[in-house]
Amino acid sequence: EDQVTQSPEALRLQEGESSSLNCSYTVSGLRGLFWYRQDPGKGPEFLFTLYSAGEEKEKERLKATLTKKESFLHITAPKPEDSATYLCAVLYTGTASKLTFGTGTRLQVTL
Amino acid sequence: DSGVTQTPKHLITATGQRVTLRCSPRSGDLSVYWYQQSLDQGLQFLIHYYNGEERAKGNILERFSAQQFPDLHSELNLSSLELGDSALYFCASSATGSYGYTFGSGTRLTVV
Repeated sequence: EDQVTQSPEALRLQEGESSSLNCSYTVSGLRGLFWYRQDPGKGPEFLFTLYSAGEEKEKERLKATLTKKESFLHITAPKPEDSATYLCAVLYTGTASKLTFGTGTRLQVTL
Repeated sequence: DSGVTQTPKHLITATGQRVTLRCSPRSGDLSVYWYQQSLDQGLQFLIHYYNGEERAKGNILERFSAQQFPDLHSELNLSSLELGDSALYFCASSATGSYGYTFGSGTRLTVV
């Protein structure tokens, strides 16, 4: 069965302490991998789309990378305002436009 | 403001009742998607409409139904509500040819 697995489930960092979040997928025919940020009680906010292995995208302190089996969201020198749940989703062949989401990584950045 | 509007923001109702959740997509977007988010299961796909036509269905219960109207707004109808239906319900929209979703702020449904 096609799956999207995110790790770790939760991560606590001190301000300035860089780290990476992982999203691994077992899907056939990946058409795109998406990263979203979700704050408590709010809708997911789009961050990045990656389409092919080797692709990288950056936005402020965030950088997303993609291999054939996984994606990483690197957070460099995080700040408390980066605290949120980060969701990964995949779009694969045969599912029209339906995104399949992982369960997310809850990130907390403390002073 | 994402441009996707969902109403109401909060809804508290009793078991066995029926509710309607409303979504207005971003201007120009023809696709509307409905997702359910509960604490233990993450975001689960319910249904996708494109320009008024149903395009894909997920694990949507028979008690749930949806439609998209000519003005492109969509409604999700939930009936015979059970305690387990308590969740956040999100609507998202996308432009034709685009795979990126824009989500609304959700409706929090509490069934008591």
